[in-house]
Amino acid sequence: DVKVTQSSRYLVKRTGEKVFLECVQDMDHENMFWYRQDPGLGLRLIYFSYDVKMKEKGDIPEGYSVSREKKERFSLILESASTNQTSMYLCASSLSTSGSRELFFGEGSRLTVL
Amino acid sequence: RKEVEQDPGPFNVPEGATVAFNCTYSNSASQSFFWYRQDCRKEPKLLMSVYSSGNEDGRFTAQLNRASQYISLLIRDSKLSDSATYLCVVNMFSGAGSYQLTFGKGTKLSVIP
Repeated sequence: DVKVTQSSRYLVKRTGEKVFLECVQDMDHENMFWYRQDPGLGLRLIYFSYDVKMKEKGDIPEGYSVSREKKERFSLILESASTNQTSMYLCASSLSTSGSRELFFGEGSRLTVL
Repeated sequence: RKEVEQDPGPFNVPEGATVAFNCTYSNSASQSFFWYRQDCRKEPKLLMSVYSSGNEDGRFTAQLNRASQYISLLIRDSKLSDSATYLCVVNMFSGAGSYQLTFGKGTKLSVIP
């Protein structure tokens, strides 16, 4: 089975702190994604990556950056956390670029910024 | 403009009922269509893909109407375990040589004993 592992299930940070959310997948998938999910807004794409050291902005990249140094690992970075970044963050991976392949999600990281 | 719209919900139905969810999408260049299921406090998981000819998986039937840009999911003989949020997902060519999945906001289903 595909496994997507997010390093932290729950985090509490203070405004202005730098936050790292780590995601690792074990199925050699090319594509990795970071979403945030908020009540009433659904899932929104922050960044995605189709290859190592490659990244593309999604719909809401402001305030975030990403790193993909290895194929299996995709990190989301909040350079200076703000209260409006309190959310559930979901990492996902998929096999191909055609978009017809299933998206596999991690269990999510619930971030609270005080 | 990328957009996927779903029934607002919530749907509260008794066990054994048949329930239908609808979804419309704005981008006629959309290529692939899916229904995902998300249980409370869990991650989304693929329920089924949606094909032009319509497809069935047990009690679940998915339909696609490309002309109307409309997708549906029908659940027959609802079970308590069907209680979840159902996400309509559309894969659109983004014009940058890549595809991008766009999620609807989801429809919550509660099946009541």
